[in-house]
Amino acid sequence: DTGVSQDPRHKITKRGQNVTFRCDPISEHNRLYWYRQTLGQGPEFLTYFQNEAQLEKSRLLSDRFSAERPKGSFSTLEIQRTEQGDSAMYLCASSPGQANNSPLHFGNGTRLTVT
Amino acid sequence: GENVEQHPSTLSVQEGDSAVIKCTYSDSASNYFPWYKQELGKGPQLIIDIRSNVGEKKDQRIAVTLNKTAKHFSLHITETQPEDSAVYFCAAPGTGSARQLTFGSGTQLTVLP
Repeated sequence: DTGVSQDPRHKITKRGQNVTFRCDPISEHNRLYWYRQTLGQGPEFLTYFQNEAQLEKSRLLSDRFSAERPKGSFSTLEIQRTEQGDSAMYLCASSPGQANNSPLHFGNGTRLTVT
Repeated sequence: GENVEQHPSTLSVQEGDSAVIKCTYSDSASNYFPWYKQELGKGPQLIIDIRSNVGEKKDQRIAVTLNKTAKHFSLHITETQPEDSAVYFCAAPGTGSARQLTFGSGTQLTVLP
């Protein structure tokens, strides 16, 4: 169990540019989640996958955001035409099994700064 | 959807004293209540969780209590140590299809040596 891995740890980009983040969950974890965390706040749910299927998206996930989990293993989160309001920590988490209420295991996040 | 409120937002205690953080939730169907600890520059780490079929759970210096009638749950840390200093988050299942977690706004705990 090597834990949830996220890459890059930090990303600085100019407004209007596209960025892509990667998450490698704990192997054999079926569920993968993306959360966003701004300073002084708790994580906010963005989207989740059950294997390769994206089953739910938050209203926070505008059409500039897209997430994929092509083979049910790693996932990518892309933000197009970044805005300053996108600056935040993007957290990935995974959980095992089919049951709801399984503990989430978080990675250390990707901190995005849009200038 | 689920609304989770957490208090206090900051808490300072002397080393060796106890710390208590409280959360309330709105969805009476919620049945799983985890607590996470987040250190600077890291992701949240699960420290303890409780399911609605029990009222209290302990793990060494950490305990969580649940009052389903009042819809609140609390984290208790005894014999605090400087390494307990961090931000603590409570969470409860939201109303999405997987009842994904809704988090409180966090408590910055500082343990003074």
